[in-house]
Amino acid sequence: QVQLVESGGGVVQPGGSLRLSCAASGFTFSSYGMHWVRQAPGKGLEWVAFIRYDGSNKYYADSVKGRFTISRDNSKNTLYLQMNSLRAEDTAVYYCAKDSIAEAFDIWGQGTMVTVSS
Amino acid sequence: QSVLTQPPSVSAAPGQKVTISCSGSSSNIGNNYVSWYQQLPGTAPKLLIYENNKRPSGIPDRFSGSKSGTSATLGITGLQTGDEADYYCGTWDSSLSAPNWVFGGGTKLTVL
Repeated sequence: QVQLVESGGGVVQPGGSLRLSCAASGFTFSSYGMHWVRQAPGKGLEWVAFIRYDGSNKYYADSVKGRFTISRDNSKNTLYLQMNSLRAEDTAVYYCAKDSIAEAFDIWGQGTMVTVSS
Repeated sequence: QSVLTQPPSVSAAPGQKVTISCSGSSSNIGNNYVSWYQQLPGTAPKLLIYENNKRPSGIPDRFSGSKSGTSATLGITGLQTGDEADYYCGTWDSSLSAPNWVFGGGTKLTVL
């Protein structure tokens, strides 16, 4: 079945780095754009980053631009999010989501928790 | 502060109907498709409506969407206790120099 599984979350100190992964299965990963979306504890959804199906274009929310890098390995059906210079306000559950027609997110992973704290 | 504005909460009795509004501007809802997501407690969001009013397979027709100008509405009929969740609207925003996806702040539905 169509599935996205995130991993790599954890506790990191302010200023530290973390790399999240999202393993895709059940669909042709190399044909779709992919997103990262996060949700701070008790808060709403915030779009973080997008990468086109072939990795040719990447877009970021202003809140993470210059600190986070989205990438993908289509040979491994895996999406990544490299997070550097982490701040307390980056604490959130991070979801990967598959892009669909009309700017919708049609498949979501279960999420991975990132906590930035000293 | 979210780009799209939703009421923080709505409530209704089982079997009744409820609507959730989502207000934006010409740079987002006014010129792009709206989607809606349901997030049950402790779970990931799930796509309910895309392209303003279309339902993915498996989503019951109790859920409907509409859009008019710079606002969109999610409707849920025949409310069930299992519908208690947070609901989010989302769309693409073209106000910045690069593509940017935006969400509403979310609406908590309580089925009394």
